[in-house]
Amino acid sequence: EDQVTQSPEALRLQEGESSSLNCSYTVSGLRGLFWYRQDPGKGPEFLFTLYSAGEEKEKERLKATLTKKESFLHITAPKPEDSATYLCAVNTGNQFYFGTGTSLTVIP
Amino acid sequence: SQTIHQWPATLVQPVGSPLSLECTVEGTSNPNLYWYRQAAGRGLQLLFYSVGIGQISSEVPQNLSASRPQDRQFILSSKKLLLSDSGFYLCAWSLGSLQPQHFGDGTRLSIL
Repeated sequence: EDQVTQSPEALRLQEGESSSLNCSYTVSGLRGLFWYRQDPGKGPEFLFTLYSAGEEKEKERLKATLTKKESFLHITAPKPEDSATYLCAVNTGNQFYFGTGTSLTVIP
Repeated sequence: SQTIHQWPATLVQPVGSPLSLECTVEGTSNPNLYWYRQAAGRGLQLLFYSVGIGQISSEVPQNLSASRPQDRQFILSSKKLLLSDSGFYLCAWSLGSLQPQHFGDGTRLSIL
Protein backbone atom coordinates (compact mmCIF):
# COMPACT_ATOMS: atom_id res chain seq x y z
CA GLU A 1 0.00 0.00 0.00
CA ASP A 2 1.30 3.45 -0.93
CA GLN A 3 2.09 5.44 2.18
CA VAL A 4 3.80 8.61 3.37
CA THR A 5 4.95 8.93 6.99
CA GLN A 6 6.37 12.04 8.62
CA SER A 7 8.34 12.19 11.82
CA PRO A 8 8.41 13.50 14.40
CA GLU A 9 4.79 14.59 14.78
CA ALA A 10 5.90 17.61 16.78
CA LEU A 11 9.25 19.26 17.36
CA ARG A 12 10.23 22.07 19.71
CA LEU A 13 13.52 23.82 19.07
CA GLN A 14 15.34 26.70 20.66
CA GLU A 15 16.08 29.54 18.30
CA GLY A 16 19.30 28.69 16.50
CA GLU A 17 19.08 24.95 17.23
CA SER A 18 19.33 23.15 13.88
CA SER A 19 17.41 19.92 13.23
CA SER A 20 15.83 17.75 10.53
CA LEU A 21 12.32 16.61 9.69
CA ASN A 22 11.79 13.24 8.04
CA CYS A 23 9.39 12.11 5.32
CA SER A 24 9.55 8.42 4.47
CA TYR A 25 7.53 6.89 1.67
CA THR A 26 6.59 3.55 0.23
CA VAL A 27 5.09 4.12 -3.20
CA SER A 28 5.39 2.41 -6.53
CA GLY A 29 6.98 4.85 -8.93
CA LEU A 30 7.92 8.17 -7.39
CA ARG A 31 7.32 11.03 -9.84
CA GLY A 32 8.08 13.82 -7.40
CA LEU A 33 8.25 14.73 -3.71
CA PHE A 34 6.96 18.09 -2.49
CA TRP A 35 7.45 20.00 0.73
CA TYR A 36 4.93 22.52 2.01
CA ARG A 37 4.70 24.88 4.96
CA GLN A 38 1.30 25.40 6.58
CA ASP A 39 0.51 28.15 9.06
CA PRO A 40 -2.53 27.77 11.37
CA GLY A 41 -5.80 28.43 9.58
CA LYS A 42 -4.09 28.78 6.19
CA GLY A 43 -3.57 26.61 3.16
CA PRO A 44 -0.22 24.88 2.57
CA GLU A 45 2.44 27.00 0.92
CA PHE A 46 4.67 25.27 -1.61
CA LEU A 47 8.39 25.14 -0.72
CA PHE A 48 10.29 22.57 -2.83
CA THR A 49 9.98 19.86 -5.45
CA LEU A 50 12.47 16.98 -5.58
CA TYR A 51 12.35 14.55 -8.48
CA SER A 52 15.24 12.12 -8.10
CA ALA A 53 17.45 10.57 -5.41
CA GLY A 54 20.42 12.74 -4.58
CA GLU A 55 18.66 15.97 -5.46
CA GLU A 56 18.84 18.89 -3.02
CA LYS A 57 17.02 22.22 -2.88
CA GLU A 58 17.65 25.19 -0.60
CA LYS A 59 15.70 28.26 0.43
CA GLU A 60 16.96 30.52 3.19
CA ARG A 61 17.31 28.33 6.31
CA LEU A 62 15.65 25.29 4.71
CA LYS A 63 17.30 22.52 2.73
CA ALA A 64 15.46 19.51 1.34
CA THR A 65 17.16 16.28 0.31
CA LEU A 66 15.87 13.09 -1.28
CA THR A 67 16.91 9.43 -1.18
CA LYS A 68 15.15 6.41 -2.65
CA LYS A 69 13.09 5.91 0.50
CA GLU A 70 12.91 9.22 2.32
CA SER A 71 13.34 12.95 2.27
CA PHE A 72 14.72 15.26 4.91
CA LEU A 73 13.94 18.89 5.51
CA HIS A 74 16.94 20.38 7.29
CA ILE A 75 16.39 23.59 9.23
CA THR A 76 19.55 25.52 10.02
CA ALA A 77 19.57 28.08 12.86
CA PRO A 78 15.77 28.35 12.93
CA LYS A 79 13.95 31.50 13.95
CA PRO A 80 10.54 31.82 15.66
CA GLU A 81 8.99 32.74 12.31
CA ASP A 82 9.86 29.25 11.04
CA SER A 83 7.22 27.86 13.41
CA ALA A 84 4.60 26.08 11.30
CA THR A 85 3.48 22.63 10.23
CA TYR A 86 5.61 21.15 7.46
CA LEU A 87 3.93 18.72 5.09
CA CYS A 88 5.43 16.44 2.51
CA ALA A 89 3.58 14.95 -0.43
CA VAL A 90 4.51 12.23 -2.88
CA ASN A 91 3.33 12.13 -6.47
CA THR A 92 3.15 8.81 -8.28
CA GLY A 93 1.74 10.32 -11.47
CA ASN A 94 -1.71 8.99 -10.66
CA GLN A 95 -1.99 10.10 -7.06
CA PHE A 96 -0.78 12.69 -4.60
CA TYR A 97 -0.19 11.27 -1.09
CA PHE A 98 0.21 13.72 1.76
CA GLY A 99 1.81 13.03 5.10
CA THR A 100 0.20 14.24 8.31
CA GLY A 101 2.93 16.79 8.91
CA THR A 102 5.45 17.83 11.53
CA SER A 103 4.44 20.68 13.80
CA LEU A 104 7.53 22.80 14.42
CA THR A 105 7.74 25.31 17.27
CA VAL A 106 10.81 27.52 17.54
CA ILE A 107 11.21 29.12 20.95
CA PRO A 108 12.94 32.52 21.18
CA SER B 1 1.59 35.66 -11.32
CA GLN B 2 -1.08 33.15 -10.45
CA THR B 3 -3.43 33.58 -7.51
CA ILE B 4 -6.15 31.43 -6.05
CA HIS B 5 -9.18 32.71 -4.20
CA GLN B 6 -11.40 30.64 -1.97
CA TRP B 7 -14.47 31.77 -0.08
CA PRO B 8 -15.93 32.01 2.41
CA ALA B 9 -13.12 31.67 4.94
CA THR B 10 -15.49 30.31 7.61
CA LEU B 11 -18.99 28.91 7.40
CA VAL B 12 -21.41 27.58 9.98
CA GLN B 13 -24.31 25.58 8.60
CA PRO B 14 -27.12 23.49 10.12
CA VAL B 15 -27.37 19.78 9.40
CA GLY B 16 -29.41 19.14 6.28
CA SER B 17 -28.72 22.52 4.69
CA PRO B 18 -27.11 22.89 1.24
CA LEU B 19 -23.51 23.93 0.62
CA SER B 20 -21.66 25.82 -2.05
CA LEU B 21 -17.95 26.65 -1.78
CA GLU B 22 -16.28 28.48 -4.60
CA CYS B 23 -12.72 28.64 -5.80
CA THR B 24 -11.27 30.71 -8.63
CA VAL B 25 -7.79 30.89 -10.09
CA GLU B 26 -6.28 33.89 -11.84
CA GLY B 27 -3.23 34.26 -14.03
CA THR B 28 -3.21 30.87 -15.77
CA SER B 29 -5.25 28.89 -18.26
CA ASN B 30 -6.54 25.32 -18.15
CA PRO B 31 -5.17 24.48 -14.71
CA ASN B 32 -5.80 21.20 -12.94
CA LEU B 33 -8.08 21.94 -10.00
CA TYR B 34 -8.48 20.02 -6.75
CA TRP B 35 -10.69 19.94 -3.67
CA TYR B 36 -9.24 18.53 -0.45
CA ARG B 37 -10.52 18.09 3.07
CA GLN B 38 -8.07 18.33 5.94
CA ALA B 39 -8.94 16.78 9.28
CA ALA B 40 -6.79 17.41 12.34
CA GLY B 41 -3.89 14.94 12.48
CA ARG B 42 -5.03 13.09 9.37
CA GLY B 43 -3.44 14.85 6.46
CA LEU B 44 -5.13 16.01 3.29
CA GLN B 45 -7.78 13.84 1.69
CA LEU B 46 -8.37 14.41 -2.02
CA LEU B 47 -12.09 14.73 -2.73
CA PHE B 48 -12.29 15.78 -6.40
CA TYR B 49 -10.01 16.85 -9.19
CA SER B 50 -10.60 18.30 -12.62
CA VAL B 51 -8.40 18.53 -15.70
CA GLY B 52 -10.83 20.65 -17.71
CA ILE B 53 -14.27 22.26 -17.92
CA GLY B 54 -16.98 19.77 -17.04
CA GLN B 55 -14.44 17.02 -16.27
CA ILE B 56 -14.67 15.89 -12.66
CA SER B 57 -13.11 12.86 -11.02
CA SER B 58 -14.21 11.77 -7.58
CA GLU B 59 -11.77 10.10 -5.24
CA VAL B 60 -14.06 9.22 -2.38
CA PRO B 61 -17.78 8.36 -2.34
CA GLN B 62 -19.46 10.94 -0.17
CA ASN B 63 -22.18 13.47 0.36
CA LEU B 64 -20.42 16.06 -1.78
CA SER B 65 -20.18 16.91 -5.46
CA ALA B 66 -18.01 19.22 -7.54
CA SER B 67 -18.48 21.18 -10.72
CA ARG B 68 -16.26 23.20 -13.02
CA PRO B 69 -18.52 25.56 -14.99
CA GLN B 70 -15.64 27.72 -16.24
CA ASP B 71 -11.95 27.12 -16.90
CA ARG B 72 -10.76 28.69 -13.67
CA GLN B 73 -13.75 28.12 -11.41
CA PHE B 74 -14.27 25.10 -9.19
CA ILE B 75 -17.30 24.63 -6.96
CA LEU B 76 -17.87 22.18 -4.12
CA SER B 77 -21.50 21.46 -3.30
CA SER B 78 -23.81 19.42 -1.17
CA LYS B 79 -27.59 19.12 -1.19
CA LYS B 80 -27.83 18.11 2.47
CA LEU B 81 -24.95 18.53 4.88
CA LEU B 82 -24.11 15.89 7.49
CA LEU B 83 -22.30 16.41 10.77
CA SER B 84 -19.40 14.42 9.34
CA ASP B 85 -18.94 17.06 6.61
CA SER B 86 -17.34 19.42 9.11
CA GLY B 87 -13.72 20.19 8.36
CA PHE B 88 -11.22 22.41 6.62
CA TYR B 89 -11.73 22.47 2.87
CA LEU B 90 -8.90 23.43 0.56
CA CYS B 91 -8.89 24.21 -3.13
CA ALA B 92 -5.68 23.86 -5.14
CA TRP B 93 -4.43 24.26 -8.70
CA SER B 94 -1.50 22.94 -10.68
CA LEU B 95 -0.16 23.23 -14.21
CA GLY B 96 -0.15 19.47 -14.65
CA SER B 97 -0.39 16.18 -12.77
CA LEU B 98 3.36 16.11 -12.10
CA GLN B 99 3.60 19.75 -11.06
CA PRO B 100 3.30 21.08 -7.50
CA GLN B 101 -0.14 22.03 -6.30
CA HIS B 102 -0.80 25.53 -4.98
CA PHE B 103 -3.44 26.01 -2.34
CA GLY B 104 -5.98 28.60 -1.35
CA ASP B 105 -6.45 29.64 2.25
CA GLY B 106 -9.28 27.23 2.86
CA THR B 107 -12.80 27.27 4.27
CA ARG B 108 -13.46 26.18 7.83
CA LEU B 109 -16.87 24.48 7.72
CA SER B 110 -18.74 23.75 10.94
CA ILE B 111 -21.98 21.81 10.91
CA LEU B 112 -24.36 22.27 13.83
